[in-house]
Amino acid sequence: DIQMTQSPSSLSASVGDRVTITCRASQGISNYLAWYQQKPGKVPKLLIYAASTLQSGVPSRFSGSGSGTDFTLTISSLQPEDVATYYCQKYNSALLTFGPGTKVDIK
Amino acid sequence: QVQLVQSGSELKKPGASVKVSCKASGYTFTSYAMNWVRQAPGQGLEWMGWINTNTGNPTYAQGFTGRFVFSLDTSVSTAYLQISSLKAEDTAVYYCARTYYDILTGYLNWFDPWGQGTLVTVSS
Repeated sequence: DIQMTQSPSSLSASVGDRVTITCRASQGISNYLAWYQQKPGKVPKLLIYAASTLQSGVPSRFSGSGSGTDFTLTISSLQPEDVATYYCQKYNSALLTFGPGTKVDIK
Repeated sequence: QVQLVQSGSELKKPGASVKVSCKASGYTFTSYAMNWVRQAPGQGLEWMGWINTNTGNPTYAQGFTGRFVFSLDTSVSTAYLQISSLKAEDTAVYYCARTYYDILTGYLNWFDPWGQGTLVTVSS
């Protein structure tokens, strides 16, 4: 089975900072990767699919890139409302797997 | 709009069973797969498996075989998760979430939308 890892597991950054989260697959998954944001006590929300396609309504400060085994989620200018845990998810089969998550808060 | 509405929180004793419902609206129920995702307190998201809403065929992820059953009632666009022989470690929020199923590739895709989640607490 393909395993997903994320780094870092948590980070603290200042408002306005550029934040980058990495997701790595143990085998190549082409661009079959999605990113989710889960705010404390809330339902996960789809941010990005196909590695780099922004879901409708998601602020443009979020972007995704990568293909194969290495992917990144970037927040170009961190806002207070971006405090959340971010998960990647691979979908290159009928077996779906989430990464362990990256917790982002404000310094 | 596309929406998944789940049943309310449950408090159960160890050894009991629970059935969580997920009612879909705003789209053709049988055109998409339905998935279940578990989130234990303070933990990450764990995909439990999915059910083909056309055939009713369920697929269970590793660790979710035996006590977990996915079912449907397509007449009311509702999916169900039943957990039997409940244990304390089943305490979690359970989400239903829609994905598309590509019949040509056999792939599922991303989760959208999600239900609001159902908290199942198992305690004596």
